[in-house]
Amino acid sequence: EPEVTQTPSHQVTQMGQEVILRCVPISNHLYFYWYRQILGQKVEFLVSFYNNEISEKSEIFDDQFSVERPDGSNFTLKIRSTKLEDSAMYFCASKRSGQETQYFGPGTRLLVL
Amino acid sequence: DAKTTQPPSMDCAEGRAANLPCNHSTISGNEYVYWYRQIHSQGPQYIIHGLKNNETNEMASLIITEDRKSSTLILPHATLRDTAVYYCIVRVWSYGGSQGNLIFGKGTKLSVKP
Repeated sequence: EPEVTQTPSHQVTQMGQEVILRCVPISNHLYFYWYRQILGQKVEFLVSFYNNEISEKSEIFDDQFSVERPDGSNFTLKIRSTKLEDSAMYFCASKRSGQETQYFGPGTRLLVL
Repeated sequence: DAKTTQPPSMDCAEGRAANLPCNHSTISGNEYVYWYRQIHSQGPQYIIHGLKNNETNEMASLIITEDRKSSTLILPHATLRDTAVYYCIVRVWSYGGSQGNLIFGKGTKLSVKP
């Protein structure tokens, strides 16, 4: 069964550094999402992406964040200058056109020191 | 999207049915009820969704009251692997449109015990 994959599984970075989190959505899916979950807290929506542009974003998704689908298979989340409070699990999700089910990847655990 | 209320935690004996309630008293006519679960530190996993009729799939059954103000997710024969946080989410069907982000609450932490 096809799955959403994410790399790396863990990333440790210094405050102020840029990080890029990578996702490979399921191949025939057209809608892509990023969510995050700070340890012990709720899963929070960050951004949705369709047709090579952002569809919706939450207030968490400020100018420090960007998303890109650089090559038709990868979907990336970039944090330009990480802050301590960006430490969280980041989940990518995708869904097919006409269906409602979102399929989530296993997540990337980001730790900002 | 309508707000949901779930108990913070529940226990269930292995092999027994787990019945997880969700209250969504402000649900509107075009809002669906979705259930996802999150096994420890993994990505959320879709379970089932419904509008007003009861639904069943290979994972679970969803019972929605006639007034649609509450629903129950039933795992008919819970196993230890069903230990997870279960999220009830109410939202409008996005008809494949560009919207469709999920708003997660705190969910119910189900512990299945041997």
